[in-house]
Amino acid sequence: EVQLQESGPGLVKPSQSLSLTCSVTGYSITSNYWGWIRKFPGNKMEWMGYISYSGSTSYNPSLKSRISITRDTSKNQFFLQLNSVTTEDTATYYCARSNWELDWFAYWGQGTLVTVSS
Amino acid sequence: DTVLTQSPALAVSPGERVTISCRASESVSTLMHWYQQKPGQQPTLLIYLASNLESGVPARFSGSGSGTDFTLTIDPVEADDTATYYCQQSWNDPLTFGSGTKLEIK
Repeated sequence: EVQLQESGPGLVKPSQSLSLTCSVTGYSITSNYWGWIRKFPGNKMEWMGYISYSGSTSYNPSLKSRISITRDTSKNQFFLQLNSVTTEDTATYYCARSNWELDWFAYWGQGTLVTVSS
Repeated sequence: DTVLTQSPALAVSPGERVTISCRASESVSTLMHWYQQKPGQQPTLLIYLASNLESGVPARFSGSGSGTDFTLTIDPVEADDTATYYCQQSWNDPLTFGSGTKLEIK
């Protein structure tokens, strides 16, 4: 069974970079699409972007200048980097799998809360 | 971006039928999906492509709609259904989610 697990710092200072790892077991990230989604306090959810089975990426235009999603296929992990964070980036970050680039998400990680604060 | 509008909250009694609506700002065909999220947990997929029940999801859950108006129905509601329910569209880029409907079981 495919399982996803987020990891990374729970506290990031404003203007710094947020870096998270999604570790995948039970399925290869060289298949399908692997995305990041975040949920803000107050429940709003935002799709951030994905990395595909081939390594191509697509990002939400609202984040395009600040976001990067990369991967390490040898470790079956993919990564999120969000630059120049502000307090508005405080959220619970989820990694998830979809079958296609514009699709639904059948598999999710448990999520990790990242707080941006000095 | 495609905006998905959901009513903020509903309260129903166990055994009743509840419908949760999601209205899109533009047509999304049938590329609408529904999730359940309980506090402290990740979202779980309930319905995909408007009306398809995800494997393992009880048949009490059903979905309908196309174009701009969609509905998630739970019949009958159980106490364990207390959660926030989100719709998500995949017709337009970027993917977008509704603001969520918090379901309270009286």
